[in-house]
Amino acid sequence: NAGVTQTPKFQVLKTGQSMTLQCAQDMNHEYMSWYRQDPGMGLRLIHYSVGAGITDQGEVPNGYNVSRSTTEDFPLRLLSAAPSQTSVYFCASSEAGGRYYEQYFGPGTRLTVT
Amino acid sequence: RKEVEQDPGPFNVPEGATVAFNCTYSNSASQSFFWYRQDCRKEPKLLMSVYSSGNEDGRFTAQLNRASQYISLLIRDSKLSDSATYLCVVSFNQGGKLIFGQGTELSVKP
Repeated sequence: NAGVTQTPKFQVLKTGQSMTLQCAQDMNHEYMSWYRQDPGMGLRLIHYSVGAGITDQGEVPNGYNVSRSTTEDFPLRLLSAAPSQTSVYFCASSEAGGRYYEQYFGPGTRLTVT
Repeated sequence: RKEVEQDPGPFNVPEGATVAFNCTYSNSASQSFFWYRQDCRKEPKLLMSVYSSGNEDGRFTAQLNRASQYISLLIRDSKLSDSATYLCVVSFNQGGKLIFGQGTELSVKP
């Protein structure tokens, strides 16, 4: 199993450009999430999904869209990139149900917006 | 006030030392508690879940005090390989919605 994969690993965007960060998992996990990590801020939840066709907002959803058309994929779209979106983005997945489920994280995408 | 707050770091300790990290959470409806470990510029990985009765995994002991809304992690006999950032994590439901503390950096020196 590849686990959780993310592409690209690095990306530089100009202000106003749009792009999609890809996330895929091959563990048949129902739950998937996107986080951003900034220095001194910890990880903050952007959007999450509890199954195909179901998404919800997290703590910092503005400027981002998600969709979940399959169990495996959970892409994150930046609509119009801003310098404030410079960050490291992590995708994660976990099994459904139970209180003590482990979230598996992808290796991250390092995004710089100039 | 942040929903999950951790001791500010960094902690610099010698090999073999015992070190304790503290974490408080603000939402009394919190249901599940975890410690994750993150190595420099890598993804977080689950270190251990924190159960109401407290739990131990080798040199690591986690405690939960629901009345005080407080979680702790104790590392005994620190190793160089324990150097990392430790993240306190809280969940309010059974879904994939975790709230992370800002992390506490640990550096274990020879």
